[in-house]
Amino acid sequence: DTAVSQTPKYLVTQMGNDKSIKCEQNLGHDTMYWYKQDSKKFLKIMFSYNNKELIINETVPNRFSPKSPDKAHLNLHINSLELGDSAVYFCASSPAKIGTGMDQPQHFGDGTRLSIL
Amino acid sequence: SQQGEEDPQALSIQEGENATMNCSYKTSINNLQWYRQNSGRGLVHLILIRSNEREKHSGRLRVTLDTSKKSSSLLITASRAADTASYFCATDAGLLAGGTSYGKLTFGQGTILTVHP
Repeated sequence: DTAVSQTPKYLVTQMGNDKSIKCEQNLGHDTMYWYKQDSKKFLKIMFSYNNKELIINETVPNRFSPKSPDKAHLNLHINSLELGDSAVYFCASSPAKIGTGMDQPQHFGDGTRLSIL
Repeated sequence: SQQGEEDPQALSIQEGENATMNCSYKTSINNLQWYRQNSGRGLVHLILIRSNEREKHSGRLRVTLDTSKKSSSLLITASRAADTASYFCATDAGLLAGGTSYGKLTFGQGTILTVHP
């Protein structure tokens, strides 16, 4: 029973296309994240949502738009894909919430490998 | 900017030996976390150590934190071939309005550990 699941696992597409990656967590967590891992395995946070509200928005091109229809889902839509967008995108969740201790581990999905041709 | 720097970048040992990985960071932190990533998979949380803690143990794992030196180490004792993976440290240094950190983690580039049977 996968805790954080992402679809698709692999995404191969052409430059200029628009694509979406979906993420769902069944852990009952309030906070979800998107990370990008480049070819050198460097992992960088992109966005975070707490209970459907955007709380972290790093310096990411506005071609990337996260959407959280409910606290169990955080999707990532990417417009006008570029070669530099090729990477592995990870979704994660944690029980972190307003007013409680924030020292919480994060639970990661297995990633979506995006390749731009 | 990258917060955690890990050392060594790669470590190759024999089964049964101990493996030590080090992580240095630049700013004050709320906590430091260690994660493992097997090839083609997502990150798995290993240990979280708070800024007021100096040492933590979990099974064969031992983590130390020296906030005066802004460094941490992960020791894996009696390593097994199954420990072969990349290991990342991540620092939580963010503090949003109201004193809440939503787990904005900054990752190092990891140490690739290979344990030979």
